[in-house]
Amino acid sequence: GQQLNQSPQSMFIQEGEDVSMNCTSSSIFNTWLWYKQDPGEGPVLLIALYKAGELTSNGRLTAQFGITRKDSFLNISASIPSDVGIYFCAPAGNNRKLIWGLGTSLAVNP
Amino acid sequence: DSGVTQTPKHLITATGQRVTLRCSPRSGDLSVYWYQQSLDQGLQFLIQYYNGEERAKGNILERFSAQQFPDLHSELNLSSLELGDSALYFCASSVVGPYGGGANEQFFGPGTRLTVL
Repeated sequence: GQQLNQSPQSMFIQEGEDVSMNCTSSSIFNTWLWYKQDPGEGPVLLIALYKAGELTSNGRLTAQFGITRKDSFLNISASIPSDVGIYFCAPAGNNRKLIWGLGTSLAVNP
Repeated sequence: DSGVTQTPKHLITATGQRVTLRCSPRSGDLSVYWYQQSLDQGLQFLIQYYNGEERAKGNILERFSAQQFPDLHSELNLSSLELGDSALYFCASSVVGPYGGGANEQFFGPGTRLTVL
C-alpha cells in the first residue's frame, strides 16, 4: 500500500513563531491537499496544490507541492493561538482517492 | 460553514443496537464519503458513493452499510454496535467521483459523535 509520512507528529510553540510541517511518500501524487481540524470539528480545507513545484499561499499559510511529486510542506508564519489544531496532508493520485496522513498536532503557547 | 450537514450531532446508544447517521452534501456535489475518527486517531476512510452508486470501499466493517439516495443525501447504518465503534463519524462531499474530471477537494460536515455504552 501507499506509505505516507507526516511530520512532526506534534509541535508546541510560542505565539509569534513560524511553523513548518511536511509529508513525504514513496509514491507519486497529482494532488496535495492540506486540512486543519479543530477539536471535535470536521477538517477544513486550507490549501489545494495541483502542480509539481506549485507554491500557494493562503494568508499566513504557505504550502508547496514538491517537484518530485512525492512530498509537500506547509508553513505557518507568525503563529497565533487560533492556529491550534491538527493539520492533515491528503494527497491523491490518478485514482483521485485521498490518502490521509496521521496529522501534526499543533499547540501554541500565548 | 462547509455546506455539508450531518445529523445528529451527538448519539448515545448501547451495545448491540443499530443507528443511522445522515448526511446532506453541498449543493451540486455528487460524491459523498464517510470517515471514522476514533479518539486521537487519524481519519479512516469507510466508503464513497457517487450519484447513488457505491464507488470505493475502505476499512468498513460488515456490520456497517451505507447508501446514497436520489436526492444525493446519504445514510450510514451501524448495527450490532460495540464499544469500539465509539468515534466521530464524518461525511464529506465533492463535486466529482474517482473517474470524473475536476478537483479532488472534499468538504467535511461537522460530524456525528457516537458513544456506545
